[in-house]
Amino acid sequence: EVQLVESGGGLVQPGRSLRLSCAASAFNFEDSPMHWVRQPPGKGLEWVSVITWNSGFIAYAESVKGRFTISRDNAKNSLYLQMNSLRDEDMALYYCARSSNGGVFDIWGQGTMVTVSS
Amino acid sequence: EIVMTQSPATLSVSPGERATLSCRASQSVSSNLAWYQQKPGQAPRLLIYGASTRATGIPARFSGGGSGTEFTLTISSLQSEDFAVYYCQQYNNWPRTFGQGTNLEIK
Repeated sequence: EVQLVESGGGLVQPGRSLRLSCAASAFNFEDSPMHWVRQPPGKGLEWVSVITWNSGFIAYAESVKGRFTISRDNAKNSLYLQMNSLRDEDMALYYCARSSNGGVFDIWGQGTMVTVSS
Repeated sequence: EIVMTQSPATLSVSPGERATLSCRASQSVSSNLAWYQQKPGQAPRLLIYGASTRATGIPARFSGGGSGTEFTLTISSLQSEDFAVYYCQQYNNWPRTFGQGTNLEIK
């Protein structure tokens, strides 16, 4: 079964760090561009970051640039998001997603919740 | 950044009727427009890409149209499982951006 499974979310104080992971299975992860997309509670979707198959292209939303770092390990079929200097507005459900056909998100995980609170 | 604006915010329709959702881009995105469906507690699901191509397994009652800056998603005869939130997304430019969503509710 094609699957993405996120982990690493939790409760963190403002200013602290957290690392999210996403494990992929049953599709060609090593050839796939991968993204993080987030959704604050009760709100809409916000694209966060992308990394191409060979890490040759990486991009971030302005809201996280300089604080978040995306990476991947193709040997482990895994995607990561290192989140530093967390803010209240970073609180959200974080999804990892695969893109295909030029940029559509065709495979999604179930998300991992990040709660930022003192 | 391209701003995606969806209308209406909430649409109330009876089962069996037709629903038309709109999405406008602040500048042209060509046909690089996708639609997603999200039900409570679930991840979004891809419905349409390339403005009008149904994703694998999506029923024919879902259809997309438009190009440039104006797009529509039409559900021809609403089934109970279609009541959800729908998002449009452009993938013509970075950053990728989503509309704020349309909540399709039962009338």
